[in-house]
Amino acid sequence: QVQLQESGPGLVKPSQTLSLTCTVSGGSISSDGYYWSWIRQHPGKGLEWIGYIYYSGSPYYNLSLKSRVSISRDTSKNHFSLSLSSVTAADTAVYYCARGGRYGSGRGGYYFDYWGQGTLVTVSS
Amino acid sequence: DIQMTQSPSSLSASVGDRVTITCRASQSISNYLNWYQQKPGKAPELLISAASSLQSGVPSRFSGSGSGTDFTLTITSLQPEDFATYYCQESYSNPFTFGGGTKVEIK
Repeated sequence: QVQLQESGPGLVKPSQTLSLTCTVSGGSISSDGYYWSWIRQHPGKGLEWIGYIYYSGSPYYNLSLKSRVSISRDTSKNHFSLSLSSVTAADTAVYYCARGGRYGSGRGGYYFDYWGQGTLVTVSS
Repeated sequence: DIQMTQSPSSLSASVGDRVTITCRASQSISNYLNWYQQKPGKAPELLISAASSLQSGVPSRFSGSGSGTDFTLTITSLQPEDFATYYCQESYSNPFTFGGGTKVEIK
């Protein structure tokens, strides 16, 4: 059973960089075919996909966040990380890491089948 | 970006009721549509992928249908543990937009 656990500061100051790590157990982030993802949920609101890092190490980002987002990984620690720069209060959210899979052979087909419990990050001075 | 519109945004139902939630995409997304269930304070759980494919372990009272722009999630006999918020998600193109959610409450 794959398990994911987010960790990182719960409070970040405006204009600084938000950094979170997702530690994976029960499976390797280098396993063929998975997309290790970050998704966030603003308080009381819906969900927003941030990006993923493919098992091969290639990242892919939400185009609206691309200029501020970086997702990296450390295969020796079996974890992947999110960096979001120049944060504002609008980045206050619960941040989830998730494992993504894909069905079909077309352009899309991504789904998120295992999720961490989520971590609340507040942007405030 | 593709816009995903769920309706209703909330509903009240009783145990045993049949519940239908609709998700409409702003453009055709073929069958690239997933459904999730989220309970308060918890992460979403994947129920259905590819519009109609039930995930392993998900009760058969849940079903999904549709293609193109119009999709439906149906719960045939609502159980106490089904009271939650349900989200659709298009997986056709970046940014893989989620719908606004449908909160299913106890009548």
